[in-house]
Amino acid sequence: AQSVTQPDIHITVSEGASLELRCNYSYGATPYLFWYVQSPGQGLQLLLKYFSGDTLVQGIKGFEAEFKRSQSSFNLRKPSVHWSDAAEYFCAVVAFSGGYNKLIFGAGTRLAVHP
Amino acid sequence: GAGVSQSPSNKVTEKGKDVELRCDPISGHTALYWYRQRLGQGLEFLIYFQGNSAPDKSGLPSDRFSAERTGESVSTLTIQRTQQEDSAVYLCASREQGAGTEAFFGQGTRLTVV
Repeated sequence: AQSVTQPDIHITVSEGASLELRCNYSYGATPYLFWYVQSPGQGLQLLLKYFSGDTLVQGIKGFEAEFKRSQSSFNLRKPSVHWSDAAEYFCAVVAFSGGYNKLIFGAGTRLAVHP
Repeated sequence: GAGVSQSPSNKVTEKGKDVELRCDPISGHTALYWYRQRLGQGLEFLIYFQGNSAPDKSGLPSDRFSAERTGESVSTLTIQRTQQEDSAVYLCASREQGAGTEAFFGQGTRLTVV
């Protein structure tokens, strides 16, 4: 069955530092992959998505992610973190089964940003 | 409406009571999901509706949980005989048909069972 794993539960970075959040998926073919952000008191917002084409995708708020089939990964990156980036980040994959395409989320990574 | 709407936004109920949570998806979105998010936890898949097909109920934690959706419109999630462990935020999301489409989330219903 398709699944997604986010190995890091909490990450703390200093403002201005670079960021990489890890995401690994389990799926035989090319997956449909997403990154969502949940800011304190806010709903979930799509940052970016990938399902074909260029393996480096650009998203909103200066985020990017790179799909690496050989590593079954879709890591999220940002060159310089801002204090407003403190939030919970979720990686998601579409799981195909019996004609359905179900959206499955990882457990999330909570990002803290130090001034 | 412009977005996914959930009601109520907050619900406090006594243990053992039944509760009903409502989700109004974006018009035209054929797919609708319910997720549960316990405090400090990730999104736990509960149930998925796709058009007029039979729903994927594989994430419902017990037979106390059920959900309905009329066509491609409103959905209700019902929890019977609520327990304290049911306390969580219940999130609804809707998507257009297609695996690569974006899911739009409501603000959630915060359920507290006392």
